[in-house]
Amino acid sequence: DTAVSQTPKYLVTQMGNDKSIKCEQNLGHDTMYWYKQDSKKFLKIMFSYNNKELIINETVPNRFSPKSPDKAHLNLHINSLELGDSAVYFCASSQLMGSQHFGDGTRLSIL
Amino acid sequence: KNEVEQSPQNLTAQEGEFITINCSYSVGISALHWLQQHPGGGIVSLFMLSSGKKKHGRLIATINIQEKHSSLHITASHPRDSAVYICAVRIGNEKLTFGTGTRLTIIP
Repeated sequence: DTAVSQTPKYLVTQMGNDKSIKCEQNLGHDTMYWYKQDSKKFLKIMFSYNNKELIINETVPNRFSPKSPDKAHLNLHINSLELGDSAVYFCASSQLMGSQHFGDGTRLSIL
Repeated sequence: KNEVEQSPQNLTAQEGEFITINCSYSVGISALHWLQQHPGGGIVSLFMLSSGKKKHGRLIATINIQEKHSSLHITASHPRDSAVYICAVRIGNEKLTFGTGTRLTIIP
């Protein structure tokens, strides 16, 4: 059973489109995260939710909107996609202050 | 300057060698994580530590809070250890700040 699952694994789309990435965890964790990994493989936190409440929002453009319908799900919606949004997006979860479990990543390519 | 610095950036070694990857950070932290990212892209958490030393199989992680430094050691390295190793520090609440990673290649 996959602990943290993201869909889709690959997403290729045109500039200006709106897209969503879904994330689900079955570990019973309270906290979920979205990270962006750029072309140089550098990871950076985007958002963190604890029990459906936003606790970290790291100066991400407001075209990015996370949504957490329950503590097992954290989805990422991106409006008006730009070339610079091309990256791998990782979802992760943890118990508060614990080790983080990562999804396999979603590779987003903007044409 | 990144708050988390790793060295070396790239490391190539022969199978069986003892490997050390270093991580230095410049701020007070509540914990330090070592992560492994394989060529396929998946990220696995190896260790989370806030003091002392932890061991798991052939991997050992140490941290010196006073010197703001951590090391990841791999004993009897094997080609399957080839991956990018990433150090990350937790500052305050839940935010993780990442190093730029060390790309390790083990040659048979």
